[in-house]
Amino acid sequence: DAGITQSPRHKVTETGTPVTLRCHQTENHRYMYWYRQDPGHGLRLIHYSYGVKDTDKGEVSDGYSVSRSKTEDFLLTLESATSSQTSVYFCAISVRDDEQFFGPGTRLTVL
Amino acid sequence: GENVEQHPSTLSVQEGDSAVIKCTYSDSASNYFPWYKQELGKGPQLIIDIRSNVGEKKDQRIAVTLNKTAKHFSLHITETQPEDSAVYFCAASAGNQFYFGTGTSLTVIP
Repeated sequence: DAGITQSPRHKVTETGTPVTLRCHQTENHRYMYWYRQDPGHGLRLIHYSYGVKDTDKGEVSDGYSVSRSKTEDFLLTLESATSSQTSVYFCAISVRDDEQFFGPGTRLTVL
Repeated sequence: GENVEQHPSTLSVQEGDSAVIKCTYSDSASNYFPWYKQELGKGPQLIIDIRSNVGEKKDQRIAVTLNKTAKHFSLHITETQPEDSAVYFCAASAGNQFYFGTGTSLTVIP
């Protein structure tokens, strides 16, 4: 798993509540990513980071924000969770500028 | 942006037979093409990759081919085993953003 952990691994929350997911890496890689995985859509990029405080949007960024105050941590926040954000969320890192490795995932259910 | 299409969405093969999964991409700037295997409840795992300056790459029972002119690449698994059963994803990248296919669920029947 390339030293990537995600927390929590499972979460159930209610519509309208804020949710923060955490990704932690142990190897100080520069690039980190957040994806969501839904049936029929594969993996879709939400946001990515190319350094501390340096982030950019992916193709499905609406309703999500991210922060990276330390190299090893990349946080994904759903400011006001909706049922359409029920998904499995994966964090990934890039090694050697292209090879990408994924964490174990967080299953989020928004009721 | 890049658009990656993957076929078939499901594939069943007899143990020992070969399996082929195909992907196409749209952006000629894409230069890195990884393949991932995802088992139930786990994150995708990189199994093989190919760069645009190479036409074919092999690692034991797994091979990947790339046709840059036609913008397609394929995963070949030979002598399939039950433990090959999983969902496989292709991806294309030009720089540090990755675009994924929608996945192929492979079932190897003992």
